[in-house]
Amino acid sequence: AQSVTQLGSHVSVSEGALVLLRCNYSSSVPPYLFWYVQYPNQGLQLLLKYTSAATLVKGINGFEAEFKKSETSFHLTKPSAHMSDAAEYFCAVIASSGGYNKLIFGAGTRLAVHP
Amino acid sequence: NAGVTQTPKFQVLKTGQSMTLQCAQDMNHNSMYWYRQDPGMGLRLIYYSASEGTTDKGEVPNGYNVSRLNKREFSLRLESAAPSQTSVYFCASSEETGGRQPQHFGDGTRLSIL
Repeated sequence: AQSVTQLGSHVSVSEGALVLLRCNYSSSVPPYLFWYVQYPNQGLQLLLKYTSAATLVKGINGFEAEFKKSETSFHLTKPSAHMSDAAEYFCAVIASSGGYNKLIFGAGTRLAVHP
Repeated sequence: NAGVTQTPKFQVLKTGQSMTLQCAQDMNHNSMYWYRQDPGMGLRLIYYSASEGTTDKGEVPNGYNVSRLNKREFSLRLESAAPSQTSVYFCASSEETGGRQPQHFGDGTRLSIL
């Protein structure tokens, strides 16, 4: 069964530092992978998605993620953190279950950005 | 362009009461979803509607019912609320037919069951 694991429930970086949020997936078939961001008291926004085209996927707000099959990873990065990046980030994978496809979310990583 | 609109934003219920959460989208999307979000568990799919006129169970459908009233609206009903249903509920939509991956989310309904 497909699943995702996000390593680290909380990550703290300084403004201007590299952001690295880790996500590992488990899938017996080529996965469709996603990153979402949730700002306080809001719903989720799609940052980017991997659908078996280019392994390096660029998203909104300067984020990107690289699909590495050998490491079963889809880590999210941003070269230089801004204060506005403080939010919770969710990795997700499309899973097939009971005859339909559904999105399975990781538990989330809360990113704090310090001045 | 409002996107996905959920009402109410907050609600407190007593155990056993019933309630309907409303959701509407103005993007002419085909698929709509209801999720619940609980601390440390990400989002879990309750029900989804892959197109107008169809609804299907997700991961955690017990205790809930849904209605896809038309292409715009997708409501979630709790017939007899239980404390375990205290959560933040999100409605979402996507353009594609088939109910795989939500694109746009509402701002959520924070529901407390006493």
